[in-house]
Amino acid sequence: GENVEQHPSTLSVQEGDSAVIKCTYSDSASNYFPWYKQELGKGPQLIIDIRSNVGEKKDQRIAVTLNKTAKHFSLHITETQPEDSAVYFCAAAMNYGGSQGNLIFGKGTKLSVKP
Amino acid sequence: ETGVTQSPTHLIKTRGQQVTLRCSSQSGHNTVSWYQQALGQGPQFIFQYYREEENGRGNFPPRFSGLQFPNYSSELNVNALELDDSALYLCASSLGGANTEAFFGQGTRLTVV
Repeated sequence: GENVEQHPSTLSVQEGDSAVIKCTYSDSASNYFPWYKQELGKGPQLIIDIRSNVGEKKDQRIAVTLNKTAKHFSLHITETQPEDSAVYFCAAAMNYGGSQGNLIFGKGTKLSVKP
Repeated sequence: ETGVTQSPTHLIKTRGQQVTLRCSSQSGHNTVSWYQQALGQGPQFIFQYYREEENGRGNFPPRFSGLQFPNYSSELNVNALELDDSALYLCASSLGGANTEAFFGQGTRLTVV
């Protein structure tokens, strides 16, 4: 089955710096890769996603890149702010036909942005 | 806010008891998935319901069961609770189909003592 590895497990940056979180997946059939932000005591919040027919996607300060050949994808946050501090999870799924595959999550990255 | 609501938010049960957790999906969403998140870990897939039918199951024992109702709300039932069942239980809803996002509720924190 699919396995998702996520690195680093913790990341500390100064406000205004960039943060990069990397994930690898094992099943080449996976074709959907979302990123979630989880704040303490809350459920995961979808912040950006990418599908396998796209190499890069950007939404304001957040971008995600996908390398299908190497089976890895990354989250890039620029101009970090203290409110970006949270745990970030990457996930992979195999969506096909009319069916949505289940999400396989990485173990998470705790991002701390210091003012 | 995602529009996905879960109840209760917190629950304490004794080992061996049974528990029912509830989820109201976002309006128009016909697919509900349940996940278990242990402390410090990523969510793990339990099962998915699509239009009231189970549509996939993760590596969880049969004492984890579920239902989806005609209004697409859902229940997760766990029988014979074990200490290791203590976790945050998350419900995610989506429109279904291959190109739709999953939106999570705030979760139910279950503690088994």
